[in-house]
Amino acid sequence: EPEVTQTPSHQVTQMGQEVILRCVPISNHLYFYWYRQILGQKVEFLVSFYNNEISEKSEIFDDQFSVERPDGSNFTLKIRSTKLEDSAMYFCASSDAGASTDTQYFGPGTRLTVL
Amino acid sequence: AQRVTQPEKLLSVFKGAPVELKCNYSYSGSPELFWYVQYSRQRLQLLLRHISRESIKGFTADLNKGETSFHLKKPFAQEEDSAMYYCALNTGTASKLTFGTGTRLQVTL
Repeated sequence: EPEVTQTPSHQVTQMGQEVILRCVPISNHLYFYWYRQILGQKVEFLVSFYNNEISEKSEIFDDQFSVERPDGSNFTLKIRSTKLEDSAMYFCASSDAGASTDTQYFGPGTRLTVL
Repeated sequence: AQRVTQPEKLLSVFKGAPVELKCNYSYSGSPELFWYVQYSRQRLQLLLRHISRESIKGFTADLNKGETSFHLKKPFAQEEDSAMYYCALNTGTASKLTFGTGTRLQVTL
């Protein structure tokens, strides 16, 4: 069964550094998402992406964040200048259509630690 | 704004006992509700969604619009049900999921 994959599984970085988190959505899916979960807190929506554009973003997704689909398979989340509070688990998800009834399939997550 | 509440952080039951994981939501429109499960060291995966009205691994959930609830139930808990369970709401405007804080289900012998 196809799965969403994410790399790396764990990323450690210094405050102020740029990080890029990578995701490979399920191949025939058209809608892509990033969520994050700070330790001990709920999973929070960051951004949705369709047709090479951001569909919606949350208040968390400020100018330090960007997303890109650089080729036909990868979907990336970039944090330009990391802060301590960016330390979290970042989940990528994809769905074949953007309807509210559609299942979103999640990747295993990337644990980002900012020192 | 939409909101999902899961009042219990931890629910501990004995094997064979009934399970009810509570979920309440706040949304003025027509909600789409999901239960996701995360087994130890595994990814979030869909358990069931209200539109399908199905039973997965013995779990069922009924949307009660009057009580704005979508509780997850299973008549007889199994050890392999031990996991983190998240209730999620999709309001359809952008297909973003709003999650509850999750409930850890612990099934003991």
